[in-house]
Amino acid sequence: EAGVTQFPSHSVIEKGQTVTLRCDPISGHDNLYWYRRVMGKEIKFLLHFVKESKQDESGMPNNRFLAERTGGTYSTLKVQPAELEDSGVYFCASSLWTGGPDTQYFGPGTRLTVL
Amino acid sequence: SQQGEEDPQALSIQEGENATMNCSYKTSINNLQWYRQNSGRGLVHLILIRSNEREKHSGRLRVTLDTSKKSSSLLITASRAADTASYFCATDAKGAQKLVFGQGTRLTINP
Repeated sequence: EAGVTQFPSHSVIEKGQTVTLRCDPISGHDNLYWYRRVMGKEIKFLLHFVKESKQDESGMPNNRFLAERTGGTYSTLKVQPAELEDSGVYFCASSLWTGGPDTQYFGPGTRLTVL
Repeated sequence: SQQGEEDPQALSIQEGENATMNCSYKTSINNLQWYRQNSGRGLVHLILIRSNEREKHSGRLRVTLDTSKKSSSLLITASRAADTASYFCATDAKGAQKLVFGQGTRLTINP
């Protein structure tokens, strides 16, 4: 079974540009999460989808970040316009949560560098 | 806000020794999970312990949870070079599924 995949693995852009990150969850997982780790800080939650609906977007830093999950399959996270402080590693995770303990399976991450 | 904190931040031991990492958190939790991250790779789930459990084993891993002290420990026995990685604890609060991570412990196993 394929794990969570993310694309691209690395992205280097200039301040003010737009970047779109993609996450493909494990097949059949309704729950999809985005997290990020900026330099020297802990991994922080951004948002949570259940199928195509945003269940919790309390961690989104500002309105420059837009996440979508059309059709309830893959998800995209767009940063527009990118700022220097957006640099970091963006992780996606998915789970099959049905009410019990929720084991989240993480992708390899996308390393974003904003120059 | 709830936050996990690992202790120590870095740990270096000889192959074959045991490694113990600790994690503390601030609010009530449903579950606590430990993840491993090898350099440049994603997070690998190691073990989950529920709030009503006190100890759990998985192969060479032993996790304890003390909800009265809001702390957990991860013990890796008979360490191997391949155990070199960063280890993170993550908690999910009651009524929420999002994970709150600590800053991690960087473990180095010396051959």
